Amino acid sequence: AQSVTQLGSHVSVSEGALVLLRCNYSSSVPPYLFWYVQYPNQGLQLLLKYTSAATLVKGINGFEAEFKKSETSFHLTKPSAHMSDAAEYFCAVSAGNTPLVFGKGTRLSVIA
Amino acid sequence: DGGITQSPKYLFRKEGQNVTLSCEQNLNHDAMYWYRQDPGQGLRLIYYSQIVNDFQKGDIAEGYSVSREKKESFPLTVTSAQKNPTAFYLCASSTSSGGAWKTQYFGPGTRLLVL
Repeated sequence: AQSVTQLGSHVSVSEGALVLLRCNYSSSVPPYLFWYVQYPNQGLQLLLKYTSAATLVKGINGFEAEFKKSETSFHLTKPSAHMSDAAEYFCAVSAGNTPLVFGKGTRLSVIA
Repeated sequence: DGGITQSPKYLFRKEGQNVTLSCEQNLNHDAMYWYRQDPGQGLRLIYYSQIVNDFQKGDIAEGYSVSREKKESFPLTVTSAQKNPTAFYLCASSTSSGGAWKTQYFGPGTRLLVL
């Protein structure tokens, strides 16, 4: 069975600073990995996904993530935070013929 | 525009009452999913369906029921057996629940509150 651990339930950064949201996964077979963003009282929106092509994946809104098999990680980064990036972010994993398994989420706050 | 709709946006349930949450998609997706979201707990899978007239229990199916009579629709009933139904409910769909095409697209959610 696969699982996801998101380190830090809440991350706070200053506007213009680097955003780093951490995600580690566990899977016995090659995984597919996803990052989603959720704004208050809304559904989830796909930011980016890794499906065994390039290990560095670029997504919407300037976000990117790098798949590191040796570290079982899929951390999300953005060079410069904007106020509009304040939201909750979810990492998810799927392997084999199973639905996505989501992490517990990381709430990102951006300070002016 | 293609997408997933959920209704109502807010739903109030009285003690002992069954309530049904609607989820409709026009993306021509085969698979559909229901999740429950509680603060700090992420998304937990309630039920999912890979094809019409078939569905599987997720991690927290007790107190819930579903049907999948049409490809476009996957309603969720919260029964009176669910003692703590207050949560945000999210519906999602994908082209298939297997293989590389697992990207799930989400509806806007329904918030269920107990009176």
